[in-house]
Amino acid sequence: AQTVTQSQPEMSVQEAETVTLSCTYDTSESNYYLFWYKQPPSRQMILVIRQEAYKQQNATENRFSVNFQKAAKSFSLKISDSQLGDTAMYFCAFRNRDDKIIFGKGTRLHILP
Amino acid sequence: EPEVTQTPSHQVTQMGQEVILRCVPISNHLYFYWYRQILGQKVEFLVSFYNNEISEKSEIFDDQFSVERPDGSNFTLKIRSTKLEDSAMYFCATTLGILSEKLFFGSGTQLSVL
Repeated sequence: AQTVTQSQPEMSVQEAETVTLSCTYDTSESNYYLFWYKQPPSRQMILVIRQEAYKQQNATENRFSVNFQKAAKSFSLKISDSQLGDTAMYFCAFRNRDDKIIFGKGTRLHILP
Repeated sequence: EPEVTQTPSHQVTQMGQEVILRCVPISNHLYFYWYRQILGQKVEFLVSFYNNEISEKSEIFDDQFSVERPDGSNFTLKIRSTKLEDSAMYFCATTLGILSEKLFFGSGTQLSVL
């Protein structure tokens, strides 16, 4: 069974610092997608960034980037120049051809002024 | 960007009552999902739906739950006899297809069972 593990339940960083959220997953599939979703206090789910497993190049979206290590089954999210609006719950998620997305338990990120 | 619309945004009900949560997916999307999130916990998969059939469901999705797309637009989740532990945020999500990357989430329905 596929699993997604986020080992950091909660993190706090100062505004403008860089923070890395970790995520590991387990699968026997070779082709799949990985995502980071942000859930602000409004509880809406917002896609932050996505990565195709067959692409070696790490995805980047403005201040957000990932470090995708396929052999290690690791998919960490780096937030550069963190802003107060980045305060949210962040979920790592995995999707393959089984037609569903599996989420990790989330990391609560606090950006401190 | 296209949006998935969910109604109502909040639903309060008495234990044992039936509730129907509604979702209007993006028009050309083919795959539909329901997820739920109990406060402070992770997002849990409930069911996936394609071609007017359930394609997969989790162990949470027992006989008290059902889904349908009665008029080709709305995608509904029905809970027949609500329990206290059904209190959660329910998210609808849709995607173009199994090979499509992006899952679009609605803004959720907060269900409170009293």
